[in-house]
Amino acid sequence: DVVLTQTPSILSATIGQSVSISCRSSQSLLDSDGNTYLYWFLQRPGQSPQRLIYLVSNLGSGVPNRFSGSGSGTDFTLKISGVEAEDLGVYYCMQATHALTFGSGTKLEIK
Amino acid sequence: EVQLVESGGGLVKPGSSLKLSCVASGFTFSSYGMHWIRQAPKKGLEWIALIYYDSSNKYYADSVKGRFTISRDNSKNTLYLEMNSLRSEDTAMYYCAPGRGLAYWGQGTLVTVSS
Repeated sequence: DVVLTQTPSILSATIGQSVSISCRSSQSLLDSDGNTYLYWFLQRPGQSPQRLIYLVSNLGSGVPNRFSGSGSGTDFTLKISGVEAEDLGVYYCMQATHALTFGSGTKLEIK
Repeated sequence: EVQLVESGGGLVKPGSSLKLSCVASGFTFSSYGMHWIRQAPKKGLEWIALIYYDSSNKYYADSVKGRFTISRDNSKNTLYLEMNSLRSEDTAMYYCAPGRGLAYWGQGTLVTVSS
């Protein structure tokens, strides 16, 4: 099974600060069809997860452009350029190249 | 607008059975594979089952294989999860989501397994 390792597990940021979350896979997520099925989700307190980024770097519908995704192969990053109060919650990466697995999550706290 | 409405959760005793439903609208349900994902209290997300758009293939996480059955009725735009031999570790919020990229999620239905 593919294991996704997210770091850090907890992230504390001030409003306006830029932060990054890393997601490393135990196997390459490049599929034979040429796509890399790596996604990012945010779960705000008391809410269902919401998709932020699809296929590594594509912004989901209605997602602010302060969110960006990058990476390839086994190493991926979610960046928030200028944290806002509404960004607090738990961020998960997910891969769908080899079945489907989630990272363990990164909790973003606002200082 | 895409909507996914899960239902059927509740409080049950260990060893019991329960059947969850997920009614979909706002997209062509019959064209998408569908997933069940769960989240135990204060824990992360766990994928548990996938069914292809035409029910031709079904896949399960090892943690539920042999106890849970995923199915769908495309005429009713509804996804199901039949859960048997429930254990305390199955206590979780259960979500359904479409497609490979899980673009949409329902609000979830809570299953509590406790004596």
